[in-house]
Amino acid sequence: SQTIHQWPATLVQPVGSPLSLECTVEGTSNPNLYWYRQAAGRGLQLLFYSVGIGQISSEVPQNLSASRPQDRQFILSSKKLLLSDSGFYLCAWSVQGASETQYFGPGTRLLVL
Amino acid sequence: SQQGEEDPQALSIQEGENATMNCSYKTSINNLQWYRQNSGRGLVHLILIRSNEREKHSGRLRVTLDTSKKSSSLLITASRAADTASYFCATYLWGQNFVFGPGTRLSVLP
Repeated sequence: SQTIHQWPATLVQPVGSPLSLECTVEGTSNPNLYWYRQAAGRGLQLLFYSVGIGQISSEVPQNLSASRPQDRQFILSSKKLLLSDSGFYLCAWSVQGASETQYFGPGTRLLVL
Repeated sequence: SQQGEEDPQALSIQEGENATMNCSYKTSINNLQWYRQNSGRGLVHLILIRSNEREKHSGRLRVTLDTSKKSSSLLITASRAADTASYFCATYLWGQNFVFGPGTRLSVLP
């Protein structure tokens, strides 16, 4: 069966520090991968999606970047965090070519102070 | 852009009652999905209804879709305290990404 992992679960970082959040998927090949951000009590904002290694599409301009160095690994990064980067970050995957359902990881809660 | 908007934003009911949440969207879709999120956790897929379907059931869940009104409803029957969570609708159109609504926070009181 497929599983999706995210780490860390919680992160507290000072403003201006770098960020690296990791997401890995097991049990499937060549998935579509997604990074979402969720503000407290709000819906999901799509940040990045990837249909293959090295292929990243950005939905909104921001202080963050994403990379996909391996088929089932998706990394969210920042060189310098802003206060506004605080939130709950969710990684998700879907089946390539039949991406009707998304499967979410447990999320990472980021607090920038 | 297409966007699901859930209604109400928050709903509080007693255990055993039915809970109904609504979702409206703006453009054509291939399917609409409902997800559940427990506090501080990831989203869990509940049910998918395709654009050519009008109603679908899964256990205590009943989803309807009215493409002419661009709306969907999620009914949870005989609610339990464990159903307390946020519920999101998401619309999907081939070639585009999922679009999630802001969610409905459901509280089921024992």
